[in-house]
Amino acid sequence: LAKTTQPISMDSYEGQEVNITCSHNNIATNDYITWYQQFPSQGPRFIIQGYKTKVTNEVASLFIPADRKSSTLSLPRVSLSDTAVYYCLVGAAGEASNFGNEKLTFGTGTRLTIIP
Amino acid sequence: DADVTQTPRNRITKTGKRIMLECSQTKGHDRMYWYRQDPGLGLRLIYYSFDVKDINKGEISDGYSVSRQAQAKFSLSLESAIPNQTALYFCATSEYRDNEQFFGPGTRLTVL
Repeated sequence: LAKTTQPISMDSYEGQEVNITCSHNNIATNDYITWYQQFPSQGPRFIIQGYKTKVTNEVASLFIPADRKSSTLSLPRVSLSDTAVYYCLVGAAGEASNFGNEKLTFGTGTRLTIIP
Repeated sequence: DADVTQTPRNRITKTGKRIMLECSQTKGHDRMYWYRQDPGLGLRLIYYSFDVKDINKGEISDGYSVSRQAQAKFSLSLESAIPNQTALYFCATSEYRDNEQFFGPGTRLTVL
């Protein structure tokens, strides 16, 4: 069971790039890394997912080093609307893992506050 | 996301009562999940189901049970509610393991 560790909170100013790191020292070979964003009183929303190296989409980038023991979510030029809690999730990958032996572990989340 | 709905959205009940939380989805996903969220503790997995015939315990299943009535419906029951089950409950669906999970709006449950 791959547990994750994230900073409890971070502050940043509008327009800056924000990097949030997640540690997952016990990540398994079949595990993917997924990041979610959650606003108050709403369900989490998928941001990005990756297995290794770098993944980029329209809202974020995900950097994963070769040993995969950590990952970094990068949010470019943040705005006030990016104030939220960000979760790092590590879980077994698709068809390769044991069906019925699923464990999906959310971290405690990082509360990101964007300052005007 | 209206594709995943939860009822009720808010519920206040008393210790010892039986409570059922319902989740419905129109995304056609086989996989459904129930999570619990407590302040400062993130989300914890209660139960998950990969199809109608498959039910699995998650990290914190004690005190809870589930029923997968159809591909689109996954219910969570508290047979005898207790105050430490007061929390925000989320249902989620996904198409494949580790692909994007789609969360419902949540049910805020208070057990007095």
